[in-house]
Amino acid sequence: GENVEQHPSTLSVQEGDSAVIKCTYSDSASNYFPWYKQELGKRPQLIIDIRSNVGEKKDQRIAVTLNKTAKHFSLHITETQPEDSAVYFCAALPSGSARQLTFGSGTQLTVLP
Amino acid sequence: DTEVTQTPKHLVMGMTNKKSLKCEQHMGHRAMYWYKQKAKKPPELMFVYSYEKLSINESVPSRFSPECPNSSLLNLHLHALQPEDSALYLCASSQVGGFGNEKLFFGSGTQLSVL
Repeated sequence: GENVEQHPSTLSVQEGDSAVIKCTYSDSASNYFPWYKQELGKRPQLIIDIRSNVGEKKDQRIAVTLNKTAKHFSLHITETQPEDSAVYFCAALPSGSARQLTFGSGTQLTVLP
Repeated sequence: DTEVTQTPKHLVMGMTNKKSLKCEQHMGHRAMYWYKQKAKKPPELMFVYSYEKLSINESVPSRFSPECPNSSLLNLHLHALQPEDSALYLCASSQVGGFGNEKLFFGSGTQLSVL
């Protein structure tokens, strides 16, 4: 089955700096890669996703890049703000009928004011 | 309506109690999920229903019993739980199959404490 590794487990940045979180996956059949943000006590919220036919996607301060050859994808947050502080999870979904997302272990991002 | 609604938000129960968690969505999704999540850990898949039929049971103990009465509702019946079952229980829904239908929508969860 799919295995997703996520690094780093914790990340602290100064407000206004950029943050990068990286994930690698094992199943070359995976074709959908979402990123979830989860604030303390709240639901995981989808913040951006990318499909395997695209190399990069951007939404305001957030971008995701995908390297299918190397089987890794990354989340980039620019101009970080204190409200970006949360746990971020990457995930991968293999193609096929069983829609089982495999999650990474999570990254606790802290943006220091 | 892009919401998945879960009730109750918080639940405290003893090990001999029987309780139920409820989940509802009106997005026309035909796949519904139960996840268990410990603090700062990723959600762990428990059950998947596809077209109201149980399609995946991730070897979950029988003290957790899922039910899908119709395409909009999902229940999780709890009985004789253990303290280690204390966690955030998340419901989610999605479309079934098809490129472009992969998005998973989570509910706000039920924070369960077993005493």
